[in-house]
Amino acid sequence: AQSVAQPEDQVNVAEGNPLTVKCTYSVSGNPYLFWYVQYPNRGLQFLLKYITGDNLVKGSYGFEAEFNKSQTSFHLKKPSALVSDSALYFCAVRPPGGFKTIFGAGTRLFVKA
Amino acid sequence: DSGVTQTPKHLITATGQRVTLRCSPRSGDLSVYWYQQSLDQGLQFLIQYYNGEERAKGNILERFSAQQFPDLHSELNLSSLELGDSALYFCASSPYQGMNTEAFFGQGTRLTVV
Repeated sequence: AQSVAQPEDQVNVAEGNPLTVKCTYSVSGNPYLFWYVQYPNRGLQFLLKYITGDNLVKGSYGFEAEFNKSQTSFHLKKPSALVSDSALYFCAVRPPGGFKTIFGAGTRLFVKA
Repeated sequence: DSGVTQTPKHLITATGQRVTLRCSPRSGDLSVYWYQQSLDQGLQFLIQYYNGEERAKGNILERFSAQQFPDLHSELNLSSLELGDSALYFCASSPYQGMNTEAFFGQGTRLTVV
């Protein structure tokens, strides 16, 4: 079955430190990969996507993500975390040839001042 | 502001009732998606429409139905409501039906069934 796993329910990091939010997927072929962020009482906002090409993708608010085909992973990273980055982060996968997007369960990021 | 408008923002109704959630996509977007977000199920894809036609179906119950109108707005109808239908319902839109486009989400409708 096709699935997306975000193995950590919560990630805690100090402000100024690098952060990583992990995502792995189980989808055959070459899927399209996305990261979204959700702030309290708001809808999801698009951060970045991987379609093809360079394995390191840069997105909004200084976030980037690294695609690793052999490990079927798409980890979200930021070199220096801000308190304002505290939110719920979703990894999403769209299988090739399909319209349905599969979302992970979400990872809550807490950045402490 | 994503440009996607959902109404109402909050809805409280009783079990067995029927409600309609409305979504206006971003100007020019032809695709509309509906999602349900609950604490125990996470974010679940319900259904997608593209230019008025159903394109993909996810975990949508038979008690739920949706449509997209000629002006591209969409409605999600939930009937015979149960307590377990309480959730945040999101609408999202994108320009195309294509697989590599990101979606823009509305702020959601919080449905509480009592």
